[in-house]
Order: sequence, then structure tokens, then C-alpha cells
Amino acid sequence: GENVEQHPSTLSVQEGDSAVIKCTYSDSASNYFPWYKQELGKRPQLIIDIRSNVGEKKDQRIAVTLNKTAKHFSLHITETQPEDSAVYFCAARGSARQLTFGSGTQLTVLP
Amino acid sequence: EAGVTQSPTHLIKTRGQQATLRCSPISGHTSVYWYQQALGLGLQFLLWYDEGEERNRGNFPPRFSGRQFPNYSSELNVNALELEDSALYLCASSLFGGETEAFFGQGTRLTVV
Repeated sequence: GENVEQHPSTLSVQEGDSAVIKCTYSDSASNYFPWYKQELGKRPQLIIDIRSNVGEKKDQRIAVTLNKTAKHFSLHITETQPEDSAVYFCAARGSARQLTFGSGTQLTVLP
Repeated sequence: EAGVTQSPTHLIKTRGQQATLRCSPISGHTSVYWYQQALGLGLQFLLWYDEGEERNRGNFPPRFSGRQFPNYSSELNVNALELEDSALYLCASSLFGGETEAFFGQGTRLTVV
């Protein structure tokens, strides 16, 4: 089945700096890659997603890139703000059709 | 439009008992997914229902089971509860066939004592 690895597990950045979180997946049939943000005690919220026919997608300060050949995708957050502090999960939808999640990245934005 | 709703919010059970968790998907969504999130850990896939049928299950013992009703709401049952079943159980829904975005409910916090 699908296996998704996510790095780093923790990430601290200064406010205003950029943050990058990377994920790799194993199922070459995977075609959908969402990212979720989970604040403490709250539900995971979909923040951005990308499909396999697209290499990059941007939404204001957030961007996601996908390299299908290498089977990896990344989340980029620019001009980080304290409210960006949360756990971020990547996921991939492979041939089994349900989402398989990475282990999460605790992002802390230091003021 | 209402999002995914789960009930109860919190549930406390004794080891060996059974727990039933409920999920109502977003209107129009036919796929429901269940995930377990143990404290400080990631989301582990439990079950996927679509159009009333179980489509896939994760690497969990058979005492984790569920069903989906004709109105697409779903129920997760956990039998013979063990202490390590204590976790946040999240339900997500998407449009048919798992081809679109999945949105999560707020979760049910199950505590086994």
C-alpha cells in the first residue's frame, strides 16, 4: 500500500522567514496530494492541494510543488506569521483511493 | 452549509466495553473515512465507506468495525476496548469515489479507563 514519509518532524522559524516541509510517497499511481493544518485541539483543515497533472500551485503565502518522477511534494509557506504555528500533515491518495497521511510536522513561528 | 459533524465529542469507557461513534458527512458527500489519531501521533487510516459499502480498511483488528447508512452517515464500533484505543477518532467525508477533497469533523475523543 501507499507509504508517505514527512520531514522534518519539528520546524522552528523566525516570524517573516519561510518554512518548507517535504513529503515522499511510494505509490506511483497516487494522483492527489493535499496538505492539512491542525491547530491544537482542532480538526485538520485542508489548506491547499495539488493534483498529479500540475507541478506547482500557489495560494497567497502558501505553495505546493510536486515532482512525480521523484515521488515527492513540498509545502512552502512564505512570510510566516505566529498564527501559522500548528501541525501540518501531507497526504497522498493512491490506488487504494483513501488518503494516507504523513506523520506530521510541528511548525513553530517565533515572534 | 453544515460541515462534517461527529458525536459524541467526548466518550469515556471502561476496558472491555464497546464504543459507538457517529459521523454525519457534508450534504452530498457519499464517501466517509475514519481515522485514529493517538496523542501526539499522526492519522492512521481505519475504514472507508462509499455508497453504503466498506471499500477499504486499514491495519486494525476486526474489533474495529462500522457501517454506512442509506443517508450516508456512518458509525464506527470498537468492541472489547483496550487502553491503547484511547485516541481522537476523526471522520472525514468527500464526494463520491474518493476523487475529491476530504473534509474532517471535529472528532470524538475516546478515553478508555
